[in-house]
Amino acid sequence: QQPVQSPQAVILREGEDAVINCSSSKALYSVHWYRQKHGEAPVFLMILLKGGEQKGHDKISASFNEKKQQSSLYLTASQLSYSGTYFCGTAQTGANNLFFGTGTRLTVIP
Amino acid sequence: NAGVTQTPKFQVLKTGQSMTLQCAQDMNHNSMYWYRQDPGMGLRLIYYSASEGTTDKGEVPNGYNVSRLNKREFSLRLESAAPSQTSVYFCASREMQGSHSPLHFGNGTRLTVT
Repeated sequence: QQPVQSPQAVILREGEDAVINCSSSKALYSVHWYRQKHGEAPVFLMILLKGGEQKGHDKISASFNEKKQQSSLYLTASQLSYSGTYFCGTAQTGANNLFFGTGTRLTVIP
Repeated sequence: NAGVTQTPKFQVLKTGQSMTLQCAQDMNHNSMYWYRQDPGMGLRLIYYSASEGTTDKGEVPNGYNVSRLNKREFSLRLESAAPSQTSVYFCASREMQGSHSPLHFGNGTRLTVT
C-alpha cells in the first residue's frame, strides 16, 4: 500500500521550479505532504482531502486527483530553505494510519 | 510548548537486550503512532493508538510491543533486540483518529543494535 514517489532526487538552482509526484494503487481519501531536513523530524506541509482540491502555502502548493489516485507537490521559485526530503503520506477512507512513500530528496543550490 | 518528546535520543544495544522507547505529547492529542525510518524505505508504521486504551498493529509490528500508558504517553518496547531493528524511531501524534489532521513528530530516537 506504500505510495510511489517520483523523482527520487532532484537538484535545483535557487529560483527554479520543481514538481514531486505521489501515486497509489489504492483509492485514496487523503494525501499528506511532509518535509524532513537532515537529522530532524518530518514537518507537516499540507493535507489534501478527497474532492480534487488544490492547496497552497507561500510558493508551495499541491493538487490531488482522486480519480487517478495521484497527488503532486509544486515548489515554485525555490529557496535554499526548501532543501530536504519530501514525503507523501496516503490514507484510504476510514483509515487511521498513513502509508508513506520513500521520499524525494530535494537539493537547492545557490 | 514542547509538542512530542522522545527519550532517549540515542541508544546502542547488544543483540538480545531489551529496552523501552518513551514518547509523551502535551497537545492533548487522541491518537499516537510509532514509525521507523530506514534509508530508502521511508517511514513505516509499527503500532498506533487511535485513542487512549486502544492499540493496533501497523505495517511492521514483529519484534515490538506498545503501551498506551495514558492520553499523553505511548511507549515502544523491544523485548529482544536484533540488528534488523537498527533504525531511527519516530513517535507522532495527532488530534483525532482518521486522516483529517496532521501528524506531529518527535525528534526521533537513533537506535543501533550490534
